[in-house]
Amino acid sequence: AQKITQTQPGMFVQEKEAVTLDCTYDTSDQSYGLFWYKQPSSGEMIFLIYQGSYDEQNATEGRYSLNFQKARKSANLVISASQLGDSAMYFCAMSLREEAAGNKLTFGGGTRVLVKP
Amino acid sequence: EAGVTQFPSHSVIEKGQTVTLRCDPISGHDNLYWYRRVMGKEIKFLLHFVKESKQDESGMPNNRFLAERTGGTYSTLKVQPAELEDSGVYFCASSQDLVIDEQFFGPGTRLTVL
Repeated sequence: AQKITQTQPGMFVQEKEAVTLDCTYDTSDQSYGLFWYKQPSSGEMIFLIYQGSYDEQNATEGRYSLNFQKARKSANLVISASQLGDSAMYFCAMSLREEAAGNKLTFGGGTRVLVKP
Repeated sequence: EAGVTQFPSHSVIEKGQTVTLRCDPISGHDNLYWYRRVMGKEIKFLLHFVKESKQDESGMPNNRFLAERTGGTYSTLKVQPAELEDSGVYFCASSQDLVIDEQFFGPGTRLTVL
């Protein structure tokens, strides 16, 4: 069975600085997808970024980048130039195929980020 | 385009009562998922519909939970009778039937069983 581990329950980051959120995963499957979602205080889950297991380049989406190290089974999220609006809960998730459509997501426990002005 | 909507946003019921949660996916999305997060735990998959058919219900905790998706549009999740451990946030998500990277989540329903 697959498992996602987020070891940082919470962290502070100074506005305009970069922050790295850790995520490690465990699966015996060769084909999988890794996702990061943001959950602000309003409660909705917002998709941030996706990395397929066969993608050779790290995914980037604006200020978000995913540091994918397949041998270490890690998929850390890097947020550059933090903004106050980045304060939220962040979840790492995995699906067993590279397509999220049609496949259930397995989530980590989440990391709460608080951006300080 | 409207996103995934869920109703109600909050529900407080007593142990033994029945509650029905509703999810309206994004129009045209064949895949509909239910997840829940109980206090202090990870978000857990409950089940997955493809149109009106249950594709995977391996995450349903027990037979007190019944999910339906009549006509392949909105879905309901009924808990009957509710127990204290059912308290948590229930999320619904939807995605298209094409290869696509993300599931679009609704805002969730916070269920409190007293």
